[in-house]
Amino acid sequence: DADVTQTPRNRITKTGKRIMLECSQTKGHDRMYWYRQDPGLGLQLIYYSFDVKDINKGEISDGYSVSRQAQAKFSLSLESAIPNQTALYFCATSDGTSEYNEQFFGPGTRLTVL
Amino acid sequence: AQSVAQPEDQVNVAEGNPLTVKCTYSVSGNPYLFWYVQYPNRGLQFLLKYITGDNLVKGSYGFEAEFNKSQTSFHLKKPSALVSDSALYFCAVRPPFSSNTGKLIFGQGTTLQVKP
Repeated sequence: DADVTQTPRNRITKTGKRIMLECSQTKGHDRMYWYRQDPGLGLQLIYYSFDVKDINKGEISDGYSVSRQAQAKFSLSLESAIPNQTALYFCATSDGTSEYNEQFFGPGTRLTVL
Repeated sequence: AQSVAQPEDQVNVAEGNPLTVKCTYSVSGNPYLFWYVQYPNRGLQFLLKYITGDNLVKGSYGFEAEFNKSQTSFHLKKPSALVSDSALYFCAVRPPFSSNTGKLIFGQGTTLQVKP
């Protein structure tokens, strides 16, 4: 969905480096999410935010942190990257006015940690 | 534990034939059910969802899905497959009473290969 953008699209880094992945949205949604995709495992939720002052851990938050700088921006940081964090990372947004509203996904960031 | 299963890693279909991509879930109560599609080098795109009501849900690109409560299944279907339908398909479930978590539980994905 072009309304949800992620930068960078690809990143290769080394073990121990700090990495930030950024997500921006123009959909005006209050809720934002970070997922990780590994082959054969589907998507796993890392962190989610229901508004600027609300940050919550997902099922695999260890080794990650997030910042919700504004309603439209939600960044994911790897403080000290390790090889098993090599994965495809997706940002998503949703309209919180209803619990059954679908999520809209960005194009993904492919991260390789050497 | 709550879970979603897509029992087939890959489904192969000839163009023009009907296709089915299977999904079963293990969630207590009445969940909300979703299907997403992922084309190469793209994010997930929403196809359709089941909230309540008619068990047959119609969505984008001619896809539909049938909710079966007794079998806890939500299979994705299309009457006539196109080569352009080839992609990775994800089933996802929003458990009931999960408004404080925003959690979607995803299946592991099924690759659909439609051959000319």
